[in-house]
Amino acid sequence: DAGITQSPRHKVTETGTPVTLRCHQTENHRYMYWYRQDPGHGLRLIHYSYGVKDTDKGEVSDGYSVSRSKTEDFLLTLESATSSQTSVYFCAIRGIGDQPQHFGDGTRLSIL
Amino acid sequence: TQLLEQSPQFLSIQEGENLTVYCNSSSVFSSLQWYRQEPGEGPVLLVTVVTGGEVKKLKRLTFQFGDARKDSSLHITAAQPGDTGLYLCAGPFTGGGNKLTFGTGTQLKVEL
Repeated sequence: DAGITQSPRHKVTETGTPVTLRCHQTENHRYMYWYRQDPGHGLRLIHYSYGVKDTDKGEVSDGYSVSRSKTEDFLLTLESATSSQTSVYFCAIRGIGDQPQHFGDGTRLSIL
Repeated sequence: TQLLEQSPQFLSIQEGENLTVYCNSSSVFSSLQWYRQEPGEGPVLLVTVVTGGEVKKLKRLTFQFGDARKDSSLHITAAQPGDTGLYLCAGPFTGGGNKLTFGTGTQLKVEL
């Protein structure tokens, strides 16, 4: 395993509530990523980080924010969850150079 | 926007059959990766192809990168139930940033 832990693994919440997902790594890798996975869309990048306090938007960033105050933790926040954000969320990490991305096991989020 | 289209979207075959999955784009990629994802888990990297025309083999799996680096294929010989899963291709975003764009995915089911 690549030393990635996502929490929680499952969450059900209501529209309008704030939600925070956590990605924790033990590999000391520089790059961290948040994706969402929906049927027919593969994986789509939400936000990524290239270092502590250094983050940037991906292709589907609206409605999401991220923070990285420590190398090992990358948080994804839905400020006010909507039903369209029901999805499976994956975190990935990557070292420098040509190293590939390694993925966590995902968080299944349902917004009712 | 760099899009990666995979076909077919779904494939259900019998054990022992051969199959090919395609990953196509109108954009040129410096490299392409193939991942396999099993239920409840994150994608796992199978291979990276980097040179136009390159062919890589991984046991019964053969990966090819198109000469123009706009497409790739995955061929499985004598499929087994253990090959069941979601197959994803991915390529780096133009301009780098260590980000990947993923294909739409091919769900493969191999039955006894």
